[in-house]
Amino acid sequence: NAGVTQTPKFRVLKTGQSMTLLCAQDMNHEYMYWYRQDPGMGLRLIHYSVGEGTTAKGEVPDGYNVSRLKKQNFLLGLESAAPSQTSVYFCASSELRDTGELFFGEGSRLTVL
Amino acid sequence: SQQGEEDPQALSIQEGENATMNCSYKTSINNLQWYRQNSGRGLVHLILIRSNEREKHSGRLRVTLDTSKKSSSLLITASRAADTASYFCATAFLGGYNKLIFGAGTRLAVHP
Repeated sequence: NAGVTQTPKFRVLKTGQSMTLLCAQDMNHEYMYWYRQDPGMGLRLIHYSVGEGTTAKGEVPDGYNVSRLKKQNFLLGLESAAPSQTSVYFCASSELRDTGELFFGEGSRLTVL
Repeated sequence: SQQGEEDPQALSIQEGENATMNCSYKTSINNLQWYRQNSGRGLVHLILIRSNEREKHSGRLRVTLDTSKKSSSLLITASRAADTASYFCATAFLGGYNKLIFGAGTRLAVHP
């Protein structure tokens, strides 16, 4: 049982380049989330999805786009990367209910030069 | 802005000692959760306490919640070197689709 899998684990981009981070979960969870983690700031919510075909903005959505075409996948895109987007990105999922634990992936470390 | 704030930012103790971390938050919550993160890894859920609960235990973990003070504490008893990690509190809001707002975390170092 893989849980939540993120690809790629590491990526280096130049300013202005685009890329997509893929998150896949095999737990049939309805809710999925993308967070970013910066030193000393904990995790901040970028976008989330409450089901296939739905997406919503979190705390820091600017510069990112997401898509949830299939229930098990949640994609995070950067159309024009900026150095301020250098961070570690975490995907998480949870069951369809108002309370409960989040299951996290191992993270994707992105560096924008 | 972040909802939860952990205190202290860093904690260094010896094996066998207890470790206490505190979390304060700003607005009403549905539940509060604690997570652990080993260096370079993802977060792992430790314990969840609902807004109508005051204390909860799980193995060597004890969590308290004081909604009047908008604060929570995590106690790890008889700590081990393997407990070395960062610990985060996260708050969830009623009707919030289980979105969690995380604090900045406490870095715990347990020395053998």
